[in-house]
Amino acid sequence: ETGVTQTPRHLVMGMTNKKSLKCEQHLGHNAMYWYKQSAKKPLELMFVYNFKEQTENNSVPSRFSPECPNSSHLFLHLHTLQPEDSALYLCASSQEWNEQFFGPGTRLTVL
Amino acid sequence: GQQVMQIPQYQHVQEGEDFTTYCNSSTTLSNIQWYKQRPGGHPVFLIQLVKSGEVKKQKRLTFQFGEAKKNSSLHITATQTTDVGTYFCAGQSNTGKLIFGQGTTLQVKP
Repeated sequence: ETGVTQTPRHLVMGMTNKKSLKCEQHLGHNAMYWYKQSAKKPLELMFVYNFKEQTENNSVPSRFSPECPNSSHLFLHLHTLQPEDSALYLCASSQEWNEQFFGPGTRLTVL
Repeated sequence: GQQVMQIPQYQHVQEGEDFTTYCNSSTTLSNIQWYKQRPGGHPVFLIQLVKSGEVKKQKRLTFQFGEAKKNSSLHITATQTTDVGTYFCAGQSNTGKLIFGQGTTLQVKP
């Protein structure tokens, strides 16, 4: 159904681990986004990339490190996370600032 | 900074009853978008409103954009169990930044 894929779909990690989330869009869009969705803050924008350039960093802690090697791929590198970082991490893409297409998300649990 | 408030947070209705969720922005918007997220799913785009006072319909769903382009509403007529989910509004500023409301979670009792 969606032209945006995310891997892995589920991830459990310890606080000392390093892991990466991957997002790929097959829609030819030029903008990609990372969102955090938790019970407390339903859809919290983390990062925005437009034509591979980061245009938004919403005061996200440095333990989250995004990477956008090209307009189709987006990564979120994770290290030394905290239990409160457990959430659903959603990737989205759009053409310019039009409607956003979301991936299925990665359910992250930090132990 | 720009804020988008959405009410109510939760709504339980009997199947066949109507439902409305409201969205208010602290600043004038370029446009407003609506998304639906089914339980266990991801947000899916429903519609975008651009013009002041615009009204759009999708079957039983009616979307309105206020005259001042600072508020919007989504009304569902005669709800069905398939309408269950969380409805998000998202206001877009002139800079392109999209700010999501907190969402309204709709439960429909059969």
